[in-house]
Amino acid sequence: DVKVTQSSRYLVKRTGEKVFLECVQDMDHENMFWYRQDPGLGLRLIYFSYDVKMKEKGDIPEGYSVSREKKERFSLILESASTNQTSMYLCASTPPGRFLVNTEAFFGQGTRLTVV
Amino acid sequence: EDKVVQSPLSLVVHEGDTVTLNCSYEVTNFRSLLWYKQEKKAPTFLFMLTSSGIEKKSGRLSSILDKKELFSILNITATQTGDSAVYLCVVDQAGTALIFGKGTTLSVSS
Repeated sequence: DVKVTQSSRYLVKRTGEKVFLECVQDMDHENMFWYRQDPGLGLRLIYFSYDVKMKEKGDIPEGYSVSREKKERFSLILESASTNQTSMYLCASTPPGRFLVNTEAFFGQGTRLTVV
Repeated sequence: EDKVVQSPLSLVVHEGDTVTLNCSYEVTNFRSLLWYKQEKKAPTFLFMLTSSGIEKKSGRLSSILDKKELFSILNITATQTGDSAVYLCVVDQAGTALIFGKGTTLSVSS
């Protein structure tokens, strides 16, 4: 059963900590995405990557960075966590040429991050 | 197993038609149901539904939730070609996860 796996379901971190959110997919997908989900704001794209070592900013990249050293792994990094980064974080992947999140896209189960 | 099922998976209509998209769910600790329109990289938020029987409207789009029968519908009246997109139904499982449906691909022809 193919899937996208996020390393943690829940995380609690302190303000100023460096936080790593890991995402691994086993579908050999080229494209990977990081979103955050906040009440009333819907899903917002943070960063995406269409190939190893390639990355592009999404709609809200400030305060985040990403790493794609291997095709199957896409990491989201909070350099210095702040309370306004408390949110649900979602990773997704899609096949090549398919930036649309549709029936061929797969999401991880989400990581609920709380920054205190 | 928690799941969200959307139907139909795809739909082709003519401009001016009215369409109804369905979403049924079986999710423990239900908190809310969300509808998104997906055209480009990031889905566009449409509605968040938490209470049964209260219709939410935005222009030609409307949605309602039935928490007894565990489903929601998204209606689009007088469809336009710009409505062509994938419509995602997502259930927020309180405190744990978001459960996604597979989406309904809507194509509106002129």
